[in-house]
Order: sequence, then C-alpha cells, then structure tokens
Amino acid sequence: DVKVTQSSRYLVKRTGEKVFLECVQDMDHENMFWYRQDPGLGLRLIYFSYDVKMKEKGDIPEGYSVSREKKERFSLILESASTNQTSMYLCASSPGARQGTGYTFGSGTRLTVV
Amino acid sequence: KQEVTQIPAALSVPEGENLVLNCSFTDSAIYNLQWFRQDPGKGLTSLLLIQSSQREQTSGRLNASLDKSSGRSTLYIAASQPGDSATYLCAVHNDYKLSFGAGTTVTVRA
Repeated sequence: DVKVTQSSRYLVKRTGEKVFLECVQDMDHENMFWYRQDPGLGLRLIYFSYDVKMKEKGDIPEGYSVSREKKERFSLILESASTNQTSMYLCASSPGARQGTGYTFGSGTRLTVV
Repeated sequence: KQEVTQIPAALSVPEGENLVLNCSFTDSAIYNLQWFRQDPGKGLTSLLLIQSSQREQTSGRLNASLDKSSGRSTLYIAASQPGDSATYLCAVHNDYKLSFGAGTTVTVRA
C-alpha cells in the first residue's frame, strides 16, 4: 500500500527552538506539499516542491523553510518556533501537479509550541 | 484566487438515511476535484477523484458529481452508517495548488 509517512504524530517544543518535521513518500511522486490545518481556517499551503532541490512558497510561508535533498523526502523547518505555529501539519504528495492526478496525505503531526 | 465553499457546515442524520454534501468553487479552470474524509485528529483519506472531463465518479456507496461550468460538485453517500461519521473535505486542483473547502462534519446517529 502506497504511503506518505510523517515521522511524528505528536510533538511538543519550546518557543525559540528549531523544529524539523519530516515527511517521506514511497510512491516516486515528483510533487510534495506541506499544509497546516487550524480550526476555522481550514487547510493552508505553506510550501511545495515539484522536484528535488526545488521549492515554491505557498500561501503562508512566513516563519517556515523547507528542504528536499532527495525525491522521497520533504522536510519542513520552523527556524524559531513560536506559539502561533501550534497546529496540525499535513504532508502530501502527487505524481504530477499538471497531470490531473490525486493527492495522497500523511497522518499529520500535531505540534504544540509552549 | 480559487474560493471553495462547502454547505452545510454540519449535518446530523439517523442511520440509513442518504447524505448529500455540496461543494462550490469560483474558478472553473480546474484539473480535477477530490473528496477527502478526515477523522478527528487524523490525516486526510482520499475518497474520490473526478477529472475535469468527467461528470461523476462512483465507489461503493459513494457517488460524486461534477458540473465544472457551474462550479459545483456533490458527494452522495447512500444508506449512511455510524462509521460514516467524519468531516468531509472538498478540494479543487488548479495549477500546482489544491484549494480546500472548510468541510462538512457529518454525524450519523445509530
């Protein structure tokens, strides 16, 4: 069964810490995405990548960066965590954003910044 | 910018009743539309994917229709069961982006 795997289900970090959220897909997909989900705001796109070492800003990139050194792995980095980054983070992948194919999502990481 | 709206925001029905969930979007230049299910505290599970050239897609008790010209999609769930209780999200694919509605939270009462 094809999968998008997020390394942590729950994380608690302190304000100011550098935080890494990891996502791995085993479907050989070109495209990978990071979303955050908040009550009342829905899902919002943070960053996406359409190829190794390529990245594009989404709708809310401030306070975040990403890394894609290998095709299967897409990391989200919170440079200096703040309490307003407490959220559910969802990673997704797709085989081709311009090919009209579907997205597969991971199980999510619930991050709490204290 | 693509705007996706889902109505109703919440729905409670007795077991066995059919469910009708609505999704509308403002930009009809889409590649496809995808319906997801989300259980509390979990990730998104894909239910159905409708290509822009298709009118409907079916999987078991689920049927989704797409009217691209009017910017609408409807998800039908036949003979609802308590296990269908979840939040259902509609997502529209433009360019590289997937734009989501806020979801419809469904409760099926036994």
